[in-house]
Amino acid sequence: EAAVTQSPRNKVTVTGGNVTLSCRQTNSHNYMYWYRQDTGHGLRLIHYSYGAGNLQIGDVPDGYKATRTTQEDFFLLLELASPSQTSLYFCASSLRGDNQAPLFGEGTRLSVL
Amino acid sequence: GDSVTQTEGLVTLTEGLPVMLNCTYQSTYSPFLFWYVQHLNEAPKLLLKSFTDNKRPEHQGFHATLHKSSSSFHLQKSSAQLSDSALYYCALRNNRIFFGDGTQLVVKP
Repeated sequence: EAAVTQSPRNKVTVTGGNVTLSCRQTNSHNYMYWYRQDTGHGLRLIHYSYGAGNLQIGDVPDGYKATRTTQEDFFLLLELASPSQTSLYFCASSLRGDNQAPLFGEGTRLSVL
Repeated sequence: GDSVTQTEGLVTLTEGLPVMLNCTYQSTYSPFLFWYVQHLNEAPKLLLKSFTDNKRPEHQGFHATLHKSSSSFHLQKSSAQLSDSALYYCALRNNRIFFGDGTQLVVKP
C-alpha cells in the first residue's frame, strides 16, 4: 500500500537549534513536497522536488532548506530554528501529471521554544 | 497566476441538512481540481478529483462538478452526518499544487 512516512512525529527544540525533518516514500513517486499547516493559514508550500537532486522553492521558503537525496527521501532543514517555525509539517508525494493527487504523510509536530 | 479560493472559513449546519462548500479557481490552463478532507489530528486525505470527461466524481456521498465556465468545483452532499465534521481543502494542480485556505465544516446533532 502506498505510504509516506515522516520522522520524527513530534519534536521540541530551542530557539537557534538545528532540526531535520525526514520524509520517505516508497511509491516510486517523482514529486515530493513539504508543507506547514497553521490555524488560519491552511497548507502552505515550503519546498518541493521533481526528483533526486532537484529542489524547487515554494511559497514560504524563508528559514528552511530542503534536500532530496534519493527518489525516496526528502529532508527539511531548519538551521536556526525560531518560534515562528512552530507548526505542523506535512510531507507529501505524487506522480508526475496534473491529474495525480498528492499523498500525505502523518505529519510532524514541531515546537520551537 | 494560479490560485484557489474557498470563501467560507467555517460552515456550521445541522445533521441531515445538505452540504455545499464553495471552491473557485484561477488558472491559465484547464487544471485538475481536487477535494481533500482532514479529520482532527489526521493527515489530509484525497476525497475527490475532477475528471477530464465531465463525469461527476463521487465518494462517501460527496460529489463535485467542475464548471469551467464559472471556474468552480463546489463540494456537495445531500445529507450531512456528524462524521463529516472536518477541515476540507480544495486544490488544483498545474505542475505544482495550489491549495485553498480550507473550510472547517461542523455538523451538529
